[in-house]
Amino acid sequence: SQKIEQNSEALNIQEGKTATLTCNYTNYSPAYLQWYRQDPGRGPVFLLLIRENEKEKRKERLKVTFDTTLKQSLFHITASQPADSATYLCALGTDTGGFKTIFGAGTRLFVKA
Amino acid sequence: SQTIHQWPATLVQPVGSPLSLECTVEGTSNPNLYWYRQAAGRGLQLLFYSVGIGQISSEVPQNLSASRPQDRQFILSSKKLLLSDSGFYLCAWSVGGENIQYFGAGTRLSVL
Repeated sequence: SQKIEQNSEALNIQEGKTATLTCNYTNYSPAYLQWYRQDPGRGPVFLLLIRENEKEKRKERLKVTFDTTLKQSLFHITASQPADSATYLCALGTDTGGFKTIFGAGTRLFVKA
Repeated sequence: SQTIHQWPATLVQPVGSPLSLECTVEGTSNPNLYWYRQAAGRGLQLLFYSVGIGQISSEVPQNLSASRPQDRQFILSSKKLLLSDSGFYLCAWSVGGENIQYFGAGTRLSVL
């Protein structure tokens, strides 16, 4: 069955460093991959989308890579700030899968001042 | 601009009682609508989605049902709640092929 894996252990980093979060998937051929941010008790908020034919996408301090051979996406936050502390979810979808998106469980990021 | 409203924010219900959660979207037409449930430390589980009025697809057979009586209204219901129905329920909408999801604030449901 389709499976998305994100590191269940929280990631603790120091302010100013680069945070790198990993999303791995199996038994799936996504057309695109999305990253969302979720704060405690709130709904997820869309951050970035990268398509299968794109290697890298950037938005301000955020960078996403997508390696369809490794079946992996990396999500980077450069110059991290305490305000970046949240849970980050990756999600996959296909152009032929209707309107369904499959979400990972997320990785909690803590940025210490 | 588009907005999504979901209520109530929190709900405590006894086992066996009915449930009705409502979600409305403003500022867009014919959106795809979704209900998700999120257990603590778990991913988002897709419960139902709808591509149009009266069109409901169920992803997981369970004690819940959904309805879409109007284009921008999506309702999650149950006739008799179970303890296992407790969780964080999220409504979302999307338009377009890349299916970017825009979520409501969520409802924390506790079944006691």
